[in-house]
Amino acid sequence: DGGITQSPKYLFRKEGQNVTLSCEQNLNHDAMYWYRQDPGQGLRLIYYSQIVNDFQKGDIAEGYSVSREKKESFPLTVTSAQKNPTAFYLCASSPGQGEGYTFGSGTRLTVV
Amino acid sequence: RKEVEQDPGPFNVPEGATVAFNCTYSNSASQSFFWYRQDCRKEPKLLMSVYSSGNEDGRFTAQLNRASQYISLLIRDSKLSDSATYLCVDSRNTGFQKLVFGTGTRLLVSP
Repeated sequence: DGGITQSPKYLFRKEGQNVTLSCEQNLNHDAMYWYRQDPGQGLRLIYYSQIVNDFQKGDIAEGYSVSREKKESFPLTVTSAQKNPTAFYLCASSPGQGEGYTFGSGTRLTVV
Repeated sequence: RKEVEQDPGPFNVPEGATVAFNCTYSNSASQSFFWYRQDCRKEPKLLMSVYSSGNEDGRFTAQLNRASQYISLLIRDSKLSDSATYLCVDSRNTGFQKLVFGTGTRLLVSP
C-alpha cells in the first residue's frame, strides 16, 4: 500500500543535540512538507519541497534544516538552535495543486 | 486576526444528533478548502473537499459561503466514532500549494 512513513514515532533529545526525523513516501508525489503541531495551535509550516533538490522555508523555519536528495525522502533536522523543539512533527506529501495532503503518522519529539 | 478561525469546542452531542461547525477565513482570494479529521495523538486525515456549490458525502455536508468568508461542516446522525477534532483548512495556491490550518473544533459524541 502507498503511504508516508515517519520514524521514529517517539524521540527524546537532550539540550544542545541535533536530531533528524525521517520521512519517506511511496506515493510518487512531487511535493513534500513538514509541519509542527503544538497543543491548542494549528499546524504550522516549517519547510516544503516541490521538487527534488529544491526546498523552501515555511513560516517557522528557524532552527530547522531539510534536504531533498530523493523524491521519496524529505528528512528534517531539528538543530540545537531551535529553542522550543518539543512538539508533534508531521510530514505530508501532495500530488499537486488542488489536492489535499496525505500525512505520515507523526513523530513526537521531547526535549529532556 | 487568525487566517483560519474555528470554535475550539468541545461540542458535546448525543448519538444520532445533528451537529454543525463553522470556520471563517481571512483571505478573500482563497479558492479551495478542505475539512480534515484528527483523532487524539494521530495525524490529520482528509475528510472532504469543500466546493462552491456545496458537497455531500454520506452523513457529512460541507458548504462554502464566499460572501461571508465562512465554511461549514454538518454531520447528521452522529456516531460515537465521529468523536474527533475537525480541522478547517484553507488551500492557498501561490506558486505552490500551502495548506493553512485552523486550530480545530473538538467533537464528543456520547451514548
